[in-house]
Amino acid sequence: EPEVTQTPSHQVTQMGQEVILRCVPISNHLYFYWYRQILGQKVEFLVSFYNNEISEKSEIFDDQFSVERPDGSNFTLKIRSTKLEDSAMYFCASSQILNTEAFFGQGTRLTVV
Amino acid sequence: AQSVAQPEDQVNVAEGNPLTVKCTYSVSGNPYLFWYVQYPNRGLQFLLKYITGDNLVKGSYGFEAEFNKSQTSFHLKKPSALVSDSALYFCAVRDRAGAGSYQLTFGKGTKLSVIP
Repeated sequence: EPEVTQTPSHQVTQMGQEVILRCVPISNHLYFYWYRQILGQKVEFLVSFYNNEISEKSEIFDDQFSVERPDGSNFTLKIRSTKLEDSAMYFCASSQILNTEAFFGQGTRLTVV
Repeated sequence: AQSVAQPEDQVNVAEGNPLTVKCTYSVSGNPYLFWYVQYPNRGLQFLLKYITGDNLVKGSYGFEAEFNKSQTSFHLKKPSALVSDSALYFCAVRDRAGAGSYQLTFGKGTKLSVIP
């Protein structure tokens, strides 16, 4: 069964450093998303991406965040200068069309120290 | 703005008994509704969805959910719980009226424990 894959599974970084979280969405999907879940809190929407551009973003997704689809398969989330409060589980997701379910990856646990 | 409430942090049920995990939602238009399950150290797995049509939807692993528009609810149910159903369950909503709105709003999750 096709699945969304994320790497790495766990990333530890020092405050102020840049991190790139990587995702390979399901191959025939057109919509891509990033969500995050701070420990013990809700899953929160960050950004959606369609047709090689951001289609929607939340207030969490400030200038420190960016997304890119550098080739036909990868979808990345970059945090330019990490803060302690960026520590969370980051989930990538994709959907075939807008009005269908999104399939989620297993997540990348980001720890900022 | 859209929102989801899962009023129970934890639900305990004996194996073989029916289970219900509650979810209510708020949207300005009509909703798309979803249930996801999260096992320890795993991602979110899709269980079932309501888009339109029959109010009772069936999903994976014997789960079902009933859309109730008047009560703005979408409770998850299963007739006979298994120990392997123990996990964290998330309800999510997207407002159909939000044309071009892509984001899912999740509830805080309900931990289901099935006791042998």
